[in-house]
Amino acid sequence: GAVVSQHPSRVICKSGTSVKIECRSLDFQATTMFWYRQFPKKSLMLMATSNEGSKATYEQGVEKDKFLINHASLTLSTLTVTSAHPEDSSFYICSADRQGATEAFFGQGTRLTVV
Amino acid sequence: SQELEQSPQSLIVQEGKNLTINCTSSKTLYGLYWYKQKYGEGLIFLMMLQKGGEEKSHEKITAKLDEKKQQSSLHITASQPSHAGIYLCGADIVAGGYQKVTFGIGTKLQVIP
Repeated sequence: GAVVSQHPSRVICKSGTSVKIECRSLDFQATTMFWYRQFPKKSLMLMATSNEGSKATYEQGVEKDKFLINHASLTLSTLTVTSAHPEDSSFYICSADRQGATEAFFGQGTRLTVV
Repeated sequence: SQELEQSPQSLIVQEGKNLTINCTSSKTLYGLYWYKQKYGEGLIFLMMLQKGGEEKSHEKITAKLDEKKQQSSLHITASQPSHAGIYLCGADIVAGGYQKVTFGIGTKLQVIP
């Protein structure tokens, strides 16, 4: 089956630094990927839709300059949390669309802790 | 291994019919989510269940969590073409010492007019 690999699975960073999270579709091309964030005991919140070769589409309330998304190839999308703050600490997960597929494909998720 | 077993994987129903999708775990679930996904649109949050025996409804969709908090069902009454999509259950688990979300494999629903 299709595999989406997300890296790193866990990261701890200092306030003010930037962190990059990668989402790769390993055996298929994904023209569209999605980035989600989960708050403790709450549902996933869609942050943005990442489109290969074009700018990401951000959901209302998500800061574009803080959460930079790049989808430079058909198999890789990256999310960079810039100038991270403790309130950015969360679980981030990506998913990828595969044309013709009947299921959703998710990365393993990244637990970000900002200290 | 799939920590959440979701069934059926695919479902085709006639418009107006009722249907049920199940999500089962071998472990106690402390937060069970239901989502809907349409190709190209990302996940849409439907409902969250936390308490044993809890039941929630949104329009014609009802979700229940059993008393043991190991099984949830999503029931759609009088299905419509707009209900078509992939339905996913998700749950909070602790893996490798930290909390993460895990998903069922998804159920593809087609509603025939």
